[in-house]
Amino acid sequence: EAGVAQSPRYKIIEKRQSVAFWCNPISGHATLYWYQQILGQGPKLLIQFQNNGVVDDSQLPKDRFSAERLKGVDSTLKIQPAKLEDSAVYLCASSLERYADRFVNEQFFGPGTRLTVL
Amino acid sequence: GQQLNQSPQSMFIQEGEDVSMNCTSSSIFNTWLWYKQDPGEGPVLLIALYKAGELTSNGRLTAQFGITRKDSFLNISASIPSDVGIYFCAGPIYNQGGKLIFGQGTELSVKP
Repeated sequence: EAGVAQSPRYKIIEKRQSVAFWCNPISGHATLYWYQQILGQGPKLLIQFQNNGVVDDSQLPKDRFSAERLKGVDSTLKIQPAKLEDSAVYLCASSLERYADRFVNEQFFGPGTRLTVL
Repeated sequence: GQQLNQSPQSMFIQEGEDVSMNCTSSSIFNTWLWYKQDPGEGPVLLIALYKAGELTSNGRLTAQFGITRKDSFLNISASIPSDVGIYFCAGPIYNQGGKLIFGQGTELSVKP
């Protein structure tokens, strides 16, 4: 079974530029998550989708970050404009189903996109 | 809010030694997850625990769900060089669907 796919793996941009990340979850996984992981810390949830609807975006800096999951499968996360403090690894994860509690807690992660903002 | 505290922050051990690390919280959790993250990769799920007192193994790894539901432990027996990485505990925030919080990680280094 293919895992969570993410691209690009690395991105270097200058501050105030825009950047977009792409994620394709495990086939059949209804729930998709975007996390930000700053060096030396654990991942922090930015946004959670159930199919193509947003379940939780309380920690997404909405003035500069946006995300969509139009057909309930793959997703994009955008930053516009980027700031120096956005340098981090952006991880995408997916899980089977929201209301079957056992499955929703087992999240499977992609390899991440390492963003460097200069 | 809920927080997970992992200790130790880092460990340097000799190949073949056993390793213990733990994760504690002031809040109760219904699930504990242990992940390992290799450099340049995303976290990989090692063990999931669902019941207080539960002891679950995955090869040389054993994890326990503390009976108070406020802690969990991960043990690695007979460590090998490929055990190097950062180990994270994680748990779902109460009444917020699948939202996980993560500890800050325990970084393991194994000397051959």
